[in-house]
Amino acid sequence: IAGITQAPTSQILAAGRRMTLRCTQDMRHNAMYWYRQDLGLGLRLIHYSNTAGTTGKGEVPDGYSVSRANTDDFPLTLASAVPSQTSVYFCASSDSSRDRIIHFGNGTRLTVT
Amino acid sequence: QQPVQSPQAVILREGEDAVINCSSSKALYSVHWYRQKHGEAPVFLMILLKGGEQKGHEKISASFNEKKQQSSLYLTASQLSYSGTYFCGTESTRGATNKLIFGTGTLLAVQP
Repeated sequence: IAGITQAPTSQILAAGRRMTLRCTQDMRHNAMYWYRQDLGLGLRLIHYSNTAGTTGKGEVPDGYSVSRANTDDFPLTLASAVPSQTSVYFCASSDSSRDRIIHFGNGTRLTVT
Repeated sequence: QQPVQSPQAVILREGEDAVINCSSSKALYSVHWYRQKHGEAPVFLMILLKGGEQKGHEKISASFNEKKQQSSLYLTASQLSYSGTYFCGTESTRGATNKLIFGTGTLLAVQP
């Protein structure tokens, strides 16, 4: 089934540890995104990429980094996790030259203790 | 800056109508609407492009007033399946990516 796969589904992480959230899409979309969702704050954009090899900062990029080595993969790395990074993380993708619909993965629930 | 959604929450009986509003302080190119069920990913409902377009999807429709930088989502004769949190996402310009800035959401509960 075509779509976006995120891993892990959930994770408990000690503060100060490094963590990479994985995201793979098989729809050949050019654009990919990472959002975090917190109660009362909605979905906030962390980083995005419009094509392989390029990335950009969103609304809340501090403490996160991304890379886009190819079209399909867009990992999100927390270099040194802090409790305020406890959140649900959604990876998403879109074909920005066609229908511009953003498709979301099922999310990763991350708890930093 | 995040668009502002109103109301924050609404409770309906089956068959009643609801309107959810989304307002931005910036000029908009497009507005997207999504619905999210508890514990699930947001799901696309519709997109409205600059030009005052109105779209419909069964008993859910939306309008976009670009001059007022506002969009409204209309839910007619609500069903239990309409329950969830509704988000508007906005784009200020048409760019190489269509990165959306989302509002904080409107929680809709439809009761029997």
